[in-house]
Amino acid sequence: GDSVTQMEGPVTLSEEAFLTINCTYTATGYPSLFWYVQYPGEGLQLLLKATKADDKGSNKGFEATYRKETTSFHLEKGSVQVSDSAVYFCALRGKTGANNLFFGTGTRLTVIP
Amino acid sequence: EAGVAQSPRYKIIEKRQSVAFWCNPISGHATLYWYQQILGQGPKLLIQFQNNGVVDDSQLPKDRFSAERLKGVDSTLKIQPAKLEDSAVYLCASSLGRNEETQYFGPGTRLLVL
Repeated sequence: GDSVTQMEGPVTLSEEAFLTINCTYTATGYPSLFWYVQYPGEGLQLLLKATKADDKGSNKGFEATYRKETTSFHLEKGSVQVSDSAVYFCALRGKTGANNLFFGTGTRLTVIP
Repeated sequence: EAGVAQSPRYKIIEKRQSVAFWCNPISGHATLYWYQQILGQGPKLLIQFQNNGVVDDSQLPKDRFSAERLKGVDSTLKIQPAKLEDSAVYLCASSLGRNEETQYFGPGTRLLVL
């Protein structure tokens, strides 16, 4: 079945450091891929998405490229800020059946000044 | 535009009691989802509605969980009787339609079963 494997955390970085959070997926066909973010005390928010191979999703300085050959969708940011501290979830949405979202386990990022 | 509303935000009950959660999706969104997020895990879909019909409830523990969306707008999720392992955050999300890529999530209801 469809699934997402996400880099385990927690991850602690200093401000302005480079961030990578790994995500790989298993799916039938060509799913859409997402990164959601959950800030402390808030609900899940869509951060970025990509709907086909080689697409790059980007938002708020974050980027992720849909790599079909490696079944990956790694999240990157060149210079993190304290305000990026949150839990990040990789997710996929199949394009058959009920089109449900499947989430990874989440990666907690803490950015220290 | 108002977001997805959920209530209550927090609930503490004893095992074997019943509990109900309410969700009001974004106006005009035909598709509504309920997720269960256990601490340290990603959200897991419990049930998906398209208007007032169930699209997928394959992961819903039907012996104790039930959900309805009678008029195709608001939805309630009920647990009866609750077990300790039901302690989790229950998230409601909505989207314009089943083929719409983006789901919008509410703040969730945090349930603690003692």
